[in-house]
Amino acid sequence: DVVMTQSPLSLSVTLGQPASISCRSSQSLVHSNGDTCVSWFLQRPGQSPRRLIYNVSNRDSGVPDRFSASGSGTDFTLKISRVEAEDVGLYYCMQYRHWPHTFGQGTKVEIK
Amino acid sequence: EEQLVESGGGLVQPGESLRLSCAAPGLTYHNSWMSWIRQTPGKGLEWVAHTNQDGSYKYYVDSVKGRFSISKDNAKNSLYLQMNSLGVEDTAVYYCVYWGEANYWGLGTLVTVSS
Repeated sequence: DVVMTQSPLSLSVTLGQPASISCRSSQSLVHSNGDTCVSWFLQRPGQSPRRLIYNVSNRDSGVPDRFSASGSGTDFTLKISRVEAEDVGLYYCMQYRHWPHTFGQGTKVEIK
Repeated sequence: EEQLVESGGGLVQPGESLRLSCAAPGLTYHNSWMSWIRQTPGKGLEWVAHTNQDGSYKYYVDSVKGRFSISKDNAKNSLYLQMNSLGVEDTAVYYCVYWGEANYWGLGTLVTVSS
């Protein structure tokens, strides 16, 4: 199975400051159609996960533009330009290039 | 925002069966891939089963092959997961997930397998 390794596992951020989460995959996530199959999810406390990003860098509808993502091959990054209180929760990367689709272990973001 | 609602979870003993259901009247199931994904504190998020638009393709994670069966009723906008021979390792919150024009997750249903 493809292993998705996130870092850091925990992040304490001051409101209004930027945050960055890294995700590394154990295999290339580039599909034969040219897409790179990585998504990012946010799970707020007590809620279900919500997808923020698909295909490395495409924001889902309704996702604030303070969220951005990038990467290629096996290295990916999610950035929050200015952290707000509602951004608190667990962030997961996920690959959907290989079966089984697999998630990272999660990065807990909290406000300092 | 559209909401999927799972049902059918509960407490069962090892070896028993459960059938999970997922309904979302506002979504178009026949255009979508759908999945069951489970979450535990120890293993995190794990893809369990997946099916395509018309139900002709099904994928199962190795640990549930031969025990779990995913099915879809497009006419009823419903997704199911038949779980047989349940073991303690199947204890988790099970989410129904829709992969269509957008991505939606249900609220989750707790399955507890314990003697």
